[in-house]
Amino acid sequence: KAGVTQTPRYLIKTRGQQVTLSCSPISGHRSVSWYQQTPGQGLQFLFEYFSETQRNKGNFPGRFSGRQFSNSRSEMNVSTLELGDSALYLCASSLTSSPESQFFGPGTRLTVL
Amino acid sequence: GEDVEQSLFLSVREGDSSVINCTYTDSSSTYLYWYKQEPGAGLQLLTYIFSNMDMKQDQRLTVLLNKKDKHLSLRIADTQTGDSAIYFCAESTGVSNFGNEKLTFGTGTRLTIIP
Repeated sequence: KAGVTQTPRYLIKTRGQQVTLSCSPISGHRSVSWYQQTPGQGLQFLFEYFSETQRNKGNFPGRFSGRQFSNSRSEMNVSTLELGDSALYLCASSLTSSPESQFFGPGTRLTVL
Repeated sequence: GEDVEQSLFLSVREGDSSVINCTYTDSSSTYLYWYKQEPGAGLQLLTYIFSNMDMKQDQRLTVLLNKKDKHLSLRIADTQTGDSAIYFCAESTGVSNFGNEKLTFGTGTRLTIIP
Protein backbone atom coordinates (compact mmCIF):
# COMPACT_ATOMS: atom_id res chain seq x y z
CA LYS A 1 0.00 0.00 0.00
CA ALA A 2 1.55 3.32 -1.06
CA GLY A 3 2.13 5.91 1.64
CA VAL A 4 1.33 9.59 1.63
CA THR A 5 3.03 11.26 -1.31
CA GLN A 6 3.91 14.91 -1.62
CA THR A 7 5.05 16.73 -4.71
CA PRO A 8 7.34 18.33 -5.38
CA ARG A 9 9.87 17.29 -2.76
CA TYR A 10 11.94 20.44 -3.17
CA LEU A 11 11.03 23.86 -4.48
CA ILE A 12 12.83 27.17 -4.79
CA LYS A 13 10.85 30.37 -5.29
CA THR A 14 11.48 34.07 -4.97
CA ARG A 15 9.69 36.61 -2.81
CA GLY A 16 6.34 37.70 -4.16
CA GLN A 17 5.74 34.55 -6.17
CA GLN A 18 3.07 32.01 -5.37
CA VAL A 19 3.41 28.27 -4.93
CA THR A 20 1.15 25.23 -4.97
CA LEU A 21 2.04 22.05 -3.13
CA SER A 22 0.29 18.74 -3.61
CA CYS A 23 -0.51 15.87 -1.28
CA SER A 24 -1.93 12.49 -2.24
CA PRO A 25 -3.24 10.62 0.78
CA ILE A 26 -3.16 6.90 1.32
CA SER A 27 -5.86 5.21 -0.72
CA GLY A 28 -9.15 5.30 1.17
CA HIS A 29 -8.10 8.09 3.53
CA ARG A 30 -10.47 11.02 3.42
CA SER A 31 -8.84 13.44 5.83
CA VAL A 32 -5.76 15.47 4.98
CA SER A 33 -3.94 17.88 7.28
CA TRP A 34 -1.11 20.27 6.53
CA TYR A 35 1.67 21.41 8.85
CA GLN A 36 4.50 23.89 8.49
CA GLN A 37 7.86 23.05 10.08
CA THR A 38 10.48 25.75 10.59
CA PRO A 39 13.53 25.88 12.88
CA GLY A 40 12.14 28.90 14.69
CA GLN A 41 8.47 28.05 15.09
CA GLY A 42 8.62 24.25 15.04
CA LEU A 43 5.65 22.31 13.71
CA GLN A 44 2.49 24.33 13.30
CA PHE A 45 -0.91 23.22 12.11
CA LEU A 46 -2.13 24.91 8.94
CA PHE A 47 -5.48 23.31 8.11
CA GLU A 48 -7.37 20.07 7.77
CA TYR A 49 -9.72 18.92 5.04
CA PHE A 50 -12.28 16.17 5.02
CA SER A 51 -14.51 15.34 2.08
CA GLU A 52 -13.54 18.54 0.29
CA THR A 53 -14.42 20.72 3.30
CA GLN A 54 -12.03 22.60 5.52
CA ARG A 55 -12.76 21.46 9.08
CA ASN A 56 -9.96 23.03 11.08
CA LYS A 57 -7.71 25.98 10.49
CA GLY A 58 -4.57 27.11 12.23
CA ASN A 59 -3.37 30.62 12.90
CA PHE A 60 -1.88 31.55 9.53
CA PRO A 61 -2.52 34.57 7.32
CA GLY A 62 -4.92 34.43 4.41
CA ARG A 63 -1.99 34.00 2.00
CA PHE A 64 -2.12 30.35 2.98
CA SER A 65 -5.02 28.46 1.48
CA GLY A 66 -5.88 24.93 0.56
CA ARG A 67 -8.41 22.72 -1.05
CA GLN A 68 -9.30 19.08 -1.36
CA PHE A 69 -10.57 17.30 -4.42
CA SER A 70 -13.17 14.56 -4.71
CA ASN A 71 -10.43 11.93 -4.85
CA SER A 72 -9.13 13.26 -1.49
CA ARG A 73 -5.96 14.70 -2.99
CA SER A 74 -5.19 18.06 -1.47
CA GLU A 75 -3.31 21.14 -2.52
CA MET A 76 -2.09 24.06 -0.51
CA ASN A 77 -1.28 27.41 -1.99
CA VAL A 78 0.85 30.22 -0.64
CA SER A 79 0.58 33.56 -2.41
CA THR A 80 2.94 36.53 -2.24
CA LEU A 81 5.73 34.46 -0.77
CA GLU A 82 7.87 35.89 2.03
CA LEU A 83 11.31 34.78 3.17
CA GLY A 84 9.74 33.46 6.36
CA ASP A 85 7.63 30.99 4.38
CA SER A 86 10.75 28.90 3.81
CA ALA A 87 9.91 25.66 5.58
CA LEU A 88 9.21 21.98 5.33
CA TYR A 89 5.50 21.52 4.59
CA LEU A 90 4.16 18.22 5.85
CA CYS A 91 0.94 16.57 4.89
CA ALA A 92 -0.80 13.86 6.92
CA SER A 93 -3.71 11.65 5.97
CA SER A 94 -5.93 9.50 8.10
CA LEU A 95 -8.76 7.04 7.72
CA THR A 96 -10.49 7.32 11.07
CA SER A 97 -10.14 9.24 14.27
CA SER A 98 -7.77 6.61 15.66
CA PRO A 99 -4.30 8.07 16.28
CA GLU A 100 -2.81 4.96 14.72
CA SER A 101 -4.45 5.71 11.41
CA GLN A 102 -2.64 8.98 10.78
CA PHE A 103 0.39 8.92 8.51
CA PHE A 104 2.69 11.73 7.46
CA GLY A 105 4.26 12.26 4.07
CA PRO A 106 7.96 13.08 3.56
CA GLY A 107 7.23 16.77 3.12
CA THR A 108 7.98 19.45 0.55
CA ARG A 109 11.00 21.63 1.30
CA LEU A 110 10.21 25.18 0.13
CA THR A 111 12.99 27.73 -0.06
CA VAL A 112 12.09 31.36 -0.68
CA LEU A 113 14.93 33.58 -1.91
CA GLY B 1 -4.04 27.95 25.63
CA GLU B 2 -1.92 25.27 24.07
CA ASP B 3 1.82 25.11 24.62
CA VAL B 4 4.06 22.07 24.52
CA GLU B 5 7.69 22.23 25.64
CA GLN B 6 10.66 19.91 25.36
CA SER B 7 14.37 20.20 25.96
CA LEU B 8 16.21 20.62 22.67
CA PHE B 9 19.04 18.12 22.99
CA LEU B 10 19.79 14.78 24.64
CA SER B 11 22.93 12.64 24.34
CA VAL B 12 22.93 9.03 25.49
CA ARG B 13 25.45 6.21 25.31
CA GLU B 14 24.55 3.27 23.14
CA GLY B 15 22.87 0.59 25.23
CA ASP B 16 21.69 3.00 27.92
CA SER B 17 18.12 4.18 28.35
CA SER B 18 17.00 7.50 26.91
CA VAL B 19 14.34 9.55 28.64
CA ILE B 20 12.78 12.41 26.71
CA ASN B 21 10.51 14.76 28.64
CA CYS B 22 7.66 16.98 27.60
CA THR B 23 5.33 19.37 29.40
CA TYR B 24 2.02 20.60 28.08
CA THR B 25 -0.50 23.14 29.26
CA ASP B 26 -3.88 22.11 27.86
CA SER B 27 -5.61 20.01 30.49
CA SER B 28 -8.32 19.02 28.00
CA SER B 29 -5.86 17.00 25.91
CA THR B 30 -7.35 13.66 24.95
CA TYR B 31 -4.39 12.00 23.31
CA LEU B 32 -0.67 12.60 23.73
CA TYR B 33 1.73 11.36 21.09
CA TRP B 34 5.38 10.73 20.43
CA TYR B 35 6.68 11.11 16.89
CA LYS B 36 10.12 10.41 15.46
CA GLN B 37 11.66 12.38 12.61
CA GLU B 38 14.80 11.18 10.90
CA PRO B 39 16.84 13.45 8.61
CA GLY B 40 15.04 14.20 5.37
CA ALA B 41 11.97 12.25 6.40
CA GLY B 42 8.47 13.02 7.58
CA LEU B 43 7.06 12.18 10.98
CA GLN B 44 6.66 8.62 12.15
CA LEU B 45 4.18 7.91 14.92
CA LEU B 46 6.01 5.94 17.62
CA THR B 47 3.35 5.61 20.25
CA TYR B 48 0.51 7.46 21.91
CA ILE B 49 -1.34 7.43 25.20
CA PHE B 50 -4.90 8.28 26.05
CA SER B 51 -5.19 10.93 28.72
CA ASN B 52 -6.85 8.64 31.26
CA MET B 53 -3.83 6.30 31.28
CA ASP B 54 -0.69 6.61 33.40
CA MET B 55 1.63 4.35 31.48
CA LYS B 56 1.91 2.51 28.20
CA GLN B 57 4.62 0.08 27.21
CA ASP B 58 5.39 -1.03 23.68
CA GLN B 59 8.53 -3.14 23.27
CA ARG B 60 11.49 -0.81 24.01
CA LEU B 61 9.24 2.21 24.48
CA THR B 62 7.59 3.26 27.73
CA VAL B 63 5.36 6.31 27.97
CA LEU B 64 4.59 7.84 31.35
CA LEU B 65 1.89 10.44 31.83
CA ASN B 66 1.50 12.58 34.91
CA LYS B 67 -1.73 14.40 34.23
CA LYS B 68 -1.59 16.41 37.45
CA ASP B 69 1.76 17.93 36.49
CA LYS B 70 0.96 17.84 32.75
CA HIS B 71 4.21 15.93 32.18
CA LEU B 72 4.80 13.29 29.55
CA SER B 73 7.94 11.21 29.09
CA LEU B 74 9.23 8.70 26.60
CA ARG B 75 11.75 6.12 27.71
CA ILE B 76 13.68 4.18 25.08
CA ALA B 77 15.37 1.13 26.54
CA ASP B 78 18.68 -0.17 25.16
CA THR B 79 19.17 2.84 22.90
CA GLN B 80 20.67 2.02 19.51
CA THR B 81 22.33 4.16 16.84
CA GLY B 82 19.17 3.84 14.77
CA ASP B 83 17.32 5.75 17.46
CA SER B 84 19.19 8.94 16.54
CA ALA B 85 16.49 11.35 15.44
CA ILE B 86 14.36 14.26 16.58
CA TYR B 87 11.52 13.26 18.87
CA PHE B 88 8.36 15.33 19.08
CA CYS B 89 5.63 15.11 21.63
CA ALA B 90 2.21 16.33 20.56
CA GLU B 91 -1.23 16.73 22.03
CA SER B 92 -4.71 16.74 20.59
CA THR B 93 -7.79 18.03 22.32
CA GLY B 94 -10.62 16.23 20.63
CA VAL B 95 -11.65 13.25 18.63
CA SER B 96 -13.78 13.91 15.63
CA ASN B 97 -15.82 11.24 13.96
CA PHE B 98 -13.46 10.91 11.08
CA GLY B 99 -9.94 11.94 10.38
CA ASN B 100 -7.14 13.90 11.87
CA GLU B 101 -7.11 15.99 14.96
CA LYS B 102 -5.36 19.27 15.13
CA LEU B 103 -2.08 18.42 16.77
CA THR B 104 0.01 20.82 18.81
CA PHE B 105 3.65 19.80 18.70
CA GLY B 106 6.53 20.40 21.04
CA THR B 107 9.78 21.91 19.85
CA GLY B 108 11.40 18.52 19.39
CA THR B 109 14.33 16.87 21.18
CA ARG B 110 17.35 15.88 19.14
CA LEU B 111 18.61 12.54 20.46
CA THR B 112 22.26 11.78 19.79
CA ILE B 113 23.71 8.35 20.48
CA ILE B 114 27.28 8.18 21.69
CA PRO B 115 29.03 4.95 20.59
